[in-house]
Amino acid sequence: GDSVTQMEGPVTLSEEAFLTINCTYTATGYPSLFWYVQYPGEGLQLLLKATKADDKGSNKGFEATYRKETTSFHLEKGSVQVSDSAVYFCALSIKAAGNKLTFGGGTRVLVKP
Amino acid sequence: DTAVSQTPKYLVTQMGNDKSIKCEQNLGHDTMYWYKQDSKKFLKIMFSYNNKELIINETVPNRFSPKSPDKAHLNLHINSLELGDSAVYFCASSQRERGGLDEQYFGPGTRLTVT
Repeated sequence: GDSVTQMEGPVTLSEEAFLTINCTYTATGYPSLFWYVQYPGEGLQLLLKATKADDKGSNKGFEATYRKETTSFHLEKGSVQVSDSAVYFCALSIKAAGNKLTFGGGTRVLVKP
Repeated sequence: DTAVSQTPKYLVTQMGNDKSIKCEQNLGHDTMYWYKQDSKKFLKIMFSYNNKELIINETVPNRFSPKSPDKAHLNLHINSLELGDSAVYFCASSQRERGGLDEQYFGPGTRLTVT
């Protein structure tokens, strides 16, 4: 079946540090890839997405590139802020599978001032 | 305006009770979903409806029964609640686009605690 694996947290960083969260996937079809963010006490918000190989999704200083050859979609941000503290979820969906989102386990990121 | 709303936000109840969670979206979407997030933050699809028709049912116990009275609403009814049902339940919606990306929008979640 389809699955998403992402690095376990928590990841603790200082402000202005570089953030990378690794994400790899296995899929029976050709997936679309997503990063969602969940701030404390809130629901999920779509952070960025990519629908085909070599697409780069970007938003709020975050970037991720769809790498079909390595089945990866790593999230990066060059300079994190305290407000980036949240849980980040990598996910995939396949239209033929009813568009359901298959999530990774989530990575908690804590940015300290 | 809230795009995807859920009620209640918190629900505390005893084992064996029956409860419902409501979801409404005002985005004009034709597809709605229920996801469950457990205590370790793991998220998993439960159900999906497209135009009031069930299209995904992911091996969820039949104590859980979704109901979609119209395209804008997808309610979740749970019978005989168990301790293991304690979780945060998220509703989401999307619009099916031919050849496009069905981006899902999530509600704020309902935290269910079964005692």
